[in-house]
Amino acid sequence: QQKVQQSPESLIVPEGGMASLNCTSSDRNVDYFWWYRQHSGKSPKMLMSIFSNGEKEEGRFTVHLNKASLHTSLHIRDSQPSDSALYLCAASKAGNTGKLIFGLGTTLQVQP
Amino acid sequence: EAAVTQSPRNKVAVTGGKVTLSCNQTNNHNNMYWYRQDTGHGLRLIHYSYGAGSTEKGDIPDGYKASRPSQENFSLILELATPSQTSVYFCASGGLGGRQDTQYFGPGTRLLVL
Repeated sequence: QQKVQQSPESLIVPEGGMASLNCTSSDRNVDYFWWYRQHSGKSPKMLMSIFSNGEKEEGRFTVHLNKASLHTSLHIRDSQPSDSALYLCAASKAGNTGKLIFGLGTTLQVQP
Repeated sequence: EAAVTQSPRNKVAVTGGKVTLSCNQTNNHNNMYWYRQDTGHGLRLIHYSYGAGSTEKGDIPDGYKASRPSQENFSLILELATPSQTSVYFCASGGLGGRQDTQYFGPGTRLLVL
């Protein structure tokens, strides 16, 4: 069973719309979360990270983290066709040097 | 941003043959990783390294070996390639631990084993 579960598996939003992606860890020992974006045929690139409860905003992207439930979410406002990609959530444990646990991802398609 | 390069970018191998995938990073990161990515399985960690001379088994090490001869270079070796090892392989560097676990990925190698 995936220790990092993402939902939905796929998502279609209209251009200019809001996309909301979810990620939950079943491993209670994780402390840090990352969101990576992977365009088709390319490698994953780190989009945002969040380590503390609350919210973090960078431009059109906002991430939330609830450490009690080990749930993080990524919200993309004013979605653009260039946002169409696979979004990967990753988690790591404090003190576990460098190993990330990846979810299977959410495929986002933004329709013009 | 961290620079990670991989070679070759594409490889066709025969079953039973030996395949070596190479990775180079120029950012002096201690940690390096090899993943494979397959539909339905996501990114799976094969081997990783904390520095020159060290290699550690990841989640799916069977059928793979790794070598870290220097800080910059990390290789993945398939001694006897099988069709089940057809995949896209990504190398990554970074991961200093804790909040600095950000990993930077190379462009990937597409391996087809016939």
